Amino acid sequence: SQQGEEDPQALSIQEGENATMNCSYKTSINNLQWYRQNSGRGLVHLILIRSNEREKHSGRLRVTLDTSKKSSSLLITASRAADTASYFCATDDLETSYDKVIFGPGTSLSVIP
Amino acid sequence: DAGVIQSPRHEVTEMGQEVTLRCKPISGHDYLFWYRQTMMRGLELLIYFNNNVPIDDSGMPEDRFSAKMPNASFSTLKIQPSEPRDSAVYFCASSDDRTGANVLTFGAGSRLTVL
Repeated sequence: SQQGEEDPQALSIQEGENATMNCSYKTSINNLQWYRQNSGRGLVHLILIRSNEREKHSGRLRVTLDTSKKSSSLLITASRAADTASYFCATDDLETSYDKVIFGPGTSLSVIP
Repeated sequence: DAGVIQSPRHEVTEMGQEVTLRCKPISGHDYLFWYRQTMMRGLELLIYFNNNVPIDDSGMPEDRFSAKMPNASFSTLKIQPSEPRDSAVYFCASSDDRTGANVLTFGAGSRLTVL
């Protein structure tokens, strides 16, 4: 099963620009996470935001969460070629089991040097 | 810690053969998750364990798939018999929820091709 939609499916930007990716989910959640996947590799955890938080920062990453709209956004500032990867949001699911982790379909980001 | 270790990294087999994928989670992690990734279906949660006990296997596609976790340091995902539509990358991930959330550490994946 998948949690929801990510938007856009693919994004291409120039190095130095900001990249924004959006995620929507369907159920009530305790937390939302973002992961990155480089081509041919496993996923790597980037940042976690809890349902009682609205915004969180980590380095060049900024995550927002709107539980009323069941949506989140990931902003990568001053992008670099090394940021080229797929980005996935993941949530738990309070309606089935709180410790399940379900991923969205992902956004493919290309940063052009 | 060496991280989550999966084997084999690549497997090519013929339809009808049995496939066994293996996973060694990070020591001390009490959750283990199996996912399947394809272009068409994305990342699908197949099954997850807590303290070696299967908690939710609702994502397992059909009876051809089975997973076990005989101890805290080892899990297997078995497909018998395999079919071409099982071709995918299978990921294992482990976590602990000491922070109140399952932050996953993924293995490198096992790429399965069924001819």
